Amino acid sequence: GAGVSQSPSNKVTEKGKDVELRCDPISGHTALYWYRQSLGQGLEFLIYFQGNSAPDKSGLPSDRFSAERTGGSVSTLTIQRTQQEDSAVYLCASSFAPSTDTQYFGPGTRLTVL
Amino acid sequence: QKEVEQNSGPLSVPEGAIASLNCTYSDRGSQSFFWYRQYSGKSPELIMSIYSNGDKEDGRFTAQLNKASQYVSLLIRDSQPSDSATYLCAVNSNSGYALNFGKGTSLLVTP
Repeated sequence: GAGVSQSPSNKVTEKGKDVELRCDPISGHTALYWYRQSLGQGLEFLIYFQGNSAPDKSGLPSDRFSAERTGGSVSTLTIQRTQQEDSAVYLCASSFAPSTDTQYFGPGTRLTVL
Repeated sequence: QKEVEQNSGPLSVPEGAIASLNCTYSDRGSQSFFWYRQYSGKSPELIMSIYSNGDKEDGRFTAQLNKASQYVSLLIRDSQPSDSATYLCAVNSNSGYALNFGKGTSLLVTP
């Protein structure tokens, strides 16, 4: 079946603008995760969705970041008033179940804030 | 304090040799351990998962876990130039679901 898909693959924006990044998880996967990978850094956890439960937003770096997941499937990560330090690759992953289950990653969105 | 530590490398091995990649973690309560491979400009792809102490083999790859020493390793036998990539060690966090990643070890397999 299809893997995790993300769009756009690349996004260049100007400082101060808002951006929306989209993730479509693997069909049937109830858990969805967003991570960020900055140049030379490891993957940093941002937010986690599981079914209809309240998301775990503990990894979001500031209140400019928000995310939602509609209908238990597609998720959108929104960054308001983008800053240059937001430049990174934003990776979405999904798993059939949380905890020990394997997370499968999408191709990522490379965000560049000028 | 880093929760998952890896040597950044680069680790250079000749084709056909065994590559040994190491990872230590700080959370004794961690239950799930993963090795991901990431080619430059690509997303991580799962190589191995391991949950119990000991060895787990899959083709040319062997993952080793020692929870007492808080140590995970990945052995790649008969290394090929196509194995050249960054290898990421990931450990489930105390939340139980989010993964803590090391910064990765860069592996270069030379022909």
